[in-house]
Amino acid sequence: AQTVTQSQPEMSVQEAETVTLSCTYDTSENNYYLFWYKQPPSRQMILVIRQEAYKQQNATENRFSVNFQKAAKSFSLKISDSQLGDTAMYFCAFMKGLLTDKLIFGTGTRLQVFP
Amino acid sequence: DTAVSQTPKYLVTQMGNDKSIKCEQNLGHDTMYWYKQDSKKFLKIMFSYNNKELIINETVPNRFSPKSPDKAHLNLHINSLELGDSAVYFCASSQDRSGTDTQYFGPGTRLTVL
Repeated sequence: AQTVTQSQPEMSVQEAETVTLSCTYDTSENNYYLFWYKQPPSRQMILVIRQEAYKQQNATENRFSVNFQKAAKSFSLKISDSQLGDTAMYFCAFMKGLLTDKLIFGTGTRLQVFP
Repeated sequence: DTAVSQTPKYLVTQMGNDKSIKCEQNLGHDTMYWYKQDSKKFLKIMFSYNNKELIINETVPNRFSPKSPDKAHLNLHINSLELGDSAVYFCASSQDRSGTDTQYFGPGTRLTVL
């Protein structure tokens, strides 16, 4: 069975600084997908970034980028130039490829951005 | 033009009651899901439907019964509510069943059982 581990329950960062959230996963699959979702106090689940395991290039979305280390089964999220609006719970999630569609979530990291 | 909507957003009810949560998506997606987020914020899949067909039933008590009248709707009916059912329930949808498609989430329904 696949598992996703987020070892940092809480993190904090000052506005404009950079922060990295950790995620590791365990799987025997070769084809899979990884995601970071953000859940602000509004409760809405918002996709931040996704990575296909077969792609070596790390995904980037504006201030958000990942460091995907397939051999180490690590998928960390880097937030650059942190903004107050980045304050949220961040969930790492795993999905097997090909006709298996459930997201397996980590326990989340609560990020607080301070002015 | 909400993509995935849920009603109600908040639901407070007594133990033993039966309640339903409705979900609708206007994205033209084929697959819909129900996830449960417990008090510790842990999210877990409950059900998945593809074109009105049940695909995933993740060892959920049979008091929970999903119903998909068409592929744009996936409702969740809960019988004989228990205290432990208190949680936030999220509906989500994706284009198909592969990981190439992103799952889009609704705003969640906070269920409180007293």
